[in-house]
Amino acid sequence: TQLLEQSPQFLSIQEGENLTVYCNSSSVFSSLQWYRQEPGEGPVLLVTVVTGGEVKKLKRLTFQFGDARKDSSLHITAAQPGDTGLYLCAGPPPGSGGSNYKLTFGKGTLLTVNP
Amino acid sequence: DAGITQSPRHKVTETGTPVTLRCHQTENHRYMYWYRQDPGHGLRLIHYSYGVKDTDKGEVSDGYSVSRSKTEDFLLTLESATSSQTSVYFCAISDRTGGNEQFFGPGTRLTVL
Repeated sequence: TQLLEQSPQFLSIQEGENLTVYCNSSSVFSSLQWYRQEPGEGPVLLVTVVTGGEVKKLKRLTFQFGDARKDSSLHITAAQPGDTGLYLCAGPPPGSGGSNYKLTFGKGTLLTVNP
Repeated sequence: DAGITQSPRHKVTETGTPVTLRCHQTENHRYMYWYRQDPGHGLRLIHYSYGVKDTDKGEVSDGYSVSRSKTEDFLLTLESATSSQTSVYFCAISDRTGGNEQFFGPGTRLTVL
């Protein structure tokens, strides 16, 4: 059972377009993280959201954590070819409390931004 | 960037041979992890360590063992490699700040023929 479901699985857009990708769960998460992975490299942390309803901005990227802490979204404004990559959401498994050091990952959204 | 290296970066081996992958960190982080990444499955945790000589299983630990004799090194061993273990392997480290943010190495691409 996949705790974190990401959609869409694949997304191909033209440079300059806006897009939103989603990370959903039926469980409550204490926090969620977003990573970007470029081909041939390891994932790189973009942001952590902790508070329900929280919005964080990182240049053209806007991250939102749902009020109920069961979902998150990533919005990219005016996408550029450099935004191409696999976007992963992850979070500490629900119910793990303070003694668990693990993350569970969604399967990711593969974004391609064409020039 | 976090100081994490993985070796080798690429390896081709034959079924039945033992394989050891190494993860080395210079950040003095307490927690270290081994994941495998496969199409359609995403990142799956194999084993993790919460201190020197302290390790535990992840969700796909069968066929793998790990060792951590020093803070900076975490070894993943495939005792007898199988074709199903062909994958890209990532090491990650964490000091459990915030929501357990993890920092990943560059990966090892392993092919078992």
